[in-house]
Amino acid sequence: GQNIDQPTEMTATEGAIVQINCTYQTSGFNGLFWYQQHAGEAPTFLSYNVLDGLEEKGRFSSFLSRSKGYSYLLLKELQMKDSASYLCAVRDSNYQLIWGAGTKLIIKP
Amino acid sequence: TAGITQAPTSQILAAGRSMTLRCTQDMRHNAMYWYRQDLGLGLRLIHYSNTAGTTGKGEVPDGYSVSRANTDDFPLTLASAVPSQTSVYFCASSVGSSNEQFFGPGTRLTVL
Repeated sequence: GQNIDQPTEMTATEGAIVQINCTYQTSGFNGLFWYQQHAGEAPTFLSYNVLDGLEEKGRFSSFLSRSKGYSYLLLKELQMKDSASYLCAVRDSNYQLIWGAGTKLIIKP
Repeated sequence: TAGITQAPTSQILAAGRSMTLRCTQDMRHNAMYWYRQDLGLGLRLIHYSNTAGTTGKGEVPDGYSVSRANTDDFPLTLASAVPSQTSVYFCASSVGSSNEQFFGPGTRLTVL
């Protein structure tokens, strides 16, 4: 079966760095996405990785290792507005997205 | 630009009744999707459409139907609602199936 695993909840301090991990087992791989979802709102796109390595976009970076079935999202200089759920999704061999349950990130002052 | 709109925002529905959730996008995206999101579970794909005139079944299609008469609209119909269909429903679109998806604001549906 297809499976995306990410921690249910994480807590970090304002101004710090946090790494959210995602491991996956899917039928085929055609890219990995990270989305941010604030409570009561729609998911919004953060990043996309299809090749191994690190993609940096401002305070957010995303890493992929296809051989390990592993990705992480790195958030630097955390701000209170970064409190949200972070969703990992893998595009499978049918080009459909398989979604993890999301990691709820709580930022404390 | 509105992006993707969904209606209604929320709805309480009696079991056995039918309902259509509306989704409209103004970005001329080819592909559209319907997901449901339940607490503790990832987004699950109900139905999708890669282009106007075509539709396909996702992971959890039972009890739902869709149509794609034109590029902009992708309504989701529950023929006879059951309590297990209580969920938040998101419509999404993308330029093609290979691209990032843009989400509507969601419809919160409660079936009693």
